[in-house]
Amino acid sequence: AQSVTQPDIHITVSEGASLELRCNYSYGATPYLFWYVQSPGQGLQLLLKYFSGDTLVQGIKGFEAEFKRSQSSFNLRKPSVHWSDAAEYFCAVASTDSWGKLQFGAGTQVVVTP
Amino acid sequence: NAGVTQTPKFQVLKTGQSMTLQCAQDMNHNSMYWYRQDPGMGLRLIYYSASEGTTDKGEVPNGYNVSRLNKREFSLRLESAAPSQTSVYFCASSETGISPQHFGDGTRLSIL
Repeated sequence: AQSVTQPDIHITVSEGASLELRCNYSYGATPYLFWYVQSPGQGLQLLLKYFSGDTLVQGIKGFEAEFKRSQSSFNLRKPSVHWSDAAEYFCAVASTDSWGKLQFGAGTQVVVTP
Repeated sequence: NAGVTQTPKFQVLKTGQSMTLQCAQDMNHNSMYWYRQDPGMGLRLIYYSASEGTTDKGEVPNGYNVSRLNKREFSLRLESAAPSQTSVYFCASSETGISPQHFGDGTRLSIL
């Protein structure tokens, strides 16, 4: 069965420190990978996507993610976190086998401390 | 640009009442989606519409119906609301089935 796992439910990070959010997927076909961010009371905003090509992709707000096929992972990173990065982050996967059915992870809540 | 607009933003219903959630997008996207978001479960797909005139069930369709009124609008109907349908509902749209999806701000629905 297809699945997306975000192992960390909650992460606390100090402002200025680096951040890494983990995402693992289980898909039979070639995956199309996304990271979304959700601020309180808001909808989801796309941070970045991976379809093919270079396995390190850059996104908005200084985020990047690396696709590792051998590890079935698509981890999100930011070198230096700002207080405004406090939000919930969702990894999502689609494939041509599951057209239109974007599978979301359960999300990781990020808290930023001064 | 407005993007994806959902109405209403908040609603309280009594068990057994019916309601339609409205969604409209102005990006000329072909595909539209309805999700529900519950704590610790991420977003789960209720129904989607690959293109105008088509709709398909997602992961959790029971208790819901949808209508793709035209290319812009995709509504979600609860015929007989149940407390288990208390959730935040998001509408989204995309150019194709694997394109990035654009989300509305959600409808917070409570059923007593």
